[in-house]
Amino acid sequence: GNSVTQMEGPVTLSEEAFLTINCTYTATGYPSLFWYVQYPGEGLQLLLKATKADDKGSNKGFEATYRKETTSFHLEKGSVQVSDSAVYFCASSDSGAGSYQLTFGKGTKLSVIP
Amino acid sequence: DSGVTQTPKHLITATGQRVTLRCSPRSGDLSVYWYQQSLDQGLQFLIQYYNGEERAKGNILERFSAQQFPDLHSELNLSSLELGDSALYFCASSVSGVADTQYFGPGTRLTVL
Repeated sequence: GNSVTQMEGPVTLSEEAFLTINCTYTATGYPSLFWYVQYPGEGLQLLLKATKADDKGSNKGFEATYRKETTSFHLEKGSVQVSDSAVYFCASSDSGAGSYQLTFGKGTKLSVIP
Repeated sequence: DSGVTQTPKHLITATGQRVTLRCSPRSGDLSVYWYQQSLDQGLQFLIQYYNGEERAKGNILERFSAQQFPDLHSELNLSSLELGDSALYFCASSVSGVADTQYFGPGTRLTVL
């Protein structure tokens, strides 16, 4: 079946540091890929997405590029802020599973300190 | 605000009981998904409905059931509750349920004592 593997957390960074959260996937078809963010006590918010190989999703300074050759969708941000502290989930959506339900990674908790 | 609403926000109940969680999708969305988030299992897909019909099932226990009504809201019924059912239950909706973005509600936190 489909699966998503993302780097284990927690990750602690100083403000203005560079962020990378690794994500790799396995899929039977050609999935769409997503990053969702969950702030403390809240639901999941879509951060960015990419629907085909070499697409780059971007939002709020975050970027991720769909790399088919390495089956990866790593999340990056050049300069993190305290307000970016949250849990980040990588997810794939693939019709090969019979439906477009999302398969999630385990989440990476990011803490940004001033 | 995603436009997806879920009620109640918190639910505390006892083992063996039955509860109903409610979800209203975004205006215009026909597909509803239910997910469970727990510490040990992470985020797992439970079930999907599209325009009133069940489309896909994931790791949903037989004690759990769901339905989508003609007004497109959905309910997730959990019965014979066990301690291990304590989790956050999220509803998500999408326009067609076919390769489009899912928008999540704020979740219902279920605590089984």
